[in-house]
Formats: sequence, C-alpha cells, structure tokens
Amino acid sequence: DAKTTQPTSMDCAEGRAANLPCNHSTISGNEYVYWYRQIHSQGPQYIIHGLKNNETNEMASLIITEDRKSSTLILPHATLRDTAVYYCIVRHHNAGNMLTFGGGTRLMVKP
Amino acid sequence: EAGVAQSPRYKIIEKRQSVAFWCNPISGHATLYWYQQILGQGPKLLIQFQNNGVVDDSQLPKDRFSAERLKGVDSTLKIQPAKLEDSAVYLCASSLGGGGAVDTQYFGPGTRLTVL
Repeated sequence: DAKTTQPTSMDCAEGRAANLPCNHSTISGNEYVYWYRQIHSQGPQYIIHGLKNNETNEMASLIITEDRKSSTLILPHATLRDTAVYYCIVRHHNAGNMLTFGGGTRLMVKP
Repeated sequence: EAGVAQSPRYKIIEKRQSVAFWCNPISGHATLYWYQQILGQGPKLLIQFQNNGVVDDSQLPKDRFSAERLKGVDSTLKIQPAKLEDSAVYLCASSLGGGGAVDTQYFGPGTRLTVL
C-alpha cells in the first residue's frame, strides 16, 4: 500500500472549518483513500473514503486532487469533540481489508 | 446496534507473566482483527480472522502471542510470557467481511496493558 504523509499536529478554532491535508504521491490506480479518527482513550472511528471523486457524508468532506497524489479532509464546522488524531490511509480495495496506520495528525480544536 | 466489546479495559502485570484479552465483535461480522497500539503510534495489525480461519498473522510475534476464534464469533488474544515492550493498547475490530472498498472496520475501546 502507498505511504502517506500528514502534518504531526494542527490547531483549529471552534466553529471554523478544519482542513487536514494528506500526501500520497505514490498512490496507484486501484488504491482508495480512507480517513479514520481516534478520540482519546477510544478505538479508531471510520470517517470517509474515496477513490477519485470528492465525497461528502454527515461527518466530513473528502477532496482528492485530480492527480490523486494528495487529499484533504474537511470538517466544515469543527467542535471541541472533534479533537482527535486523524489518520489518512491508502489501501488497495483487494488488500484483504488490512489497514496500515501511520502517525496521523493530532487536531486540537480550541474555543 | 451494540458495538465491539472488549475486556478487560485495563490490565497490569509483571514481565514474564501471562495475560489474555477477550473480544466480542458486532453480531454478524465475519472478519475480526487484533491491533497493537504503542503510545504515540498508530495501530498495527497483529492478526486478522475470517470466521474462524486466520487470514493474516504475518505481524504476530508467534513465539509469545497467540490468538483464536474457535467458533467464528468471540476471540481471545494471549501473551505468554509478557515483555516490557508489550505495554500497549490492544484493539479489536470487526467488519462484515465482504471485502472491497466499503468493508468498514468498527473498533472496540481497547485494553490497555501495562507490563512492569
């Protein structure tokens, strides 16, 4: 699976949009981009995934660049409860569903 | 819908002792995973089951770690004997098992192991 690069930490003001970048420059055509988050003392939680097109669900939006070498997770109106570590993962859809987590981005939402 | 259940939530043991963790996946989920998460790092997959068969255990330290899912539902992960470097959170996850892009993994709260 392709390697991802994320900033170690980010801050965001409560109520503002949080934009979390992820670089996956070696991604191949059959690899999906997944985002999970992990709130303190909890297990990881699935957020969203995409292949080529931008995706939106009730939690977030995922913007994937046209060359697919990077993506951005957008939390449109961050709340204090969104403070967590956010993991960007690239996985082949036939990879036995294995997820390879990196270090993630620690997002701190501040009042 | 009940989530993934794990017990105990916390465990403290001395090195060279044995320990076991239990996981009950979401009802109907065929695939079950055990991850190890060392403080400050992302989770690392130890073993993946499909029903009661092992799909991937390439990163399981088999000299001391073992896992089973005898009836294809509950699972136990055992460490015998424990080392200091085994101190971590052990996460269990489950998924429907259909594979593909939408086979979302759901994680339990984890068991925090401290080895003294």
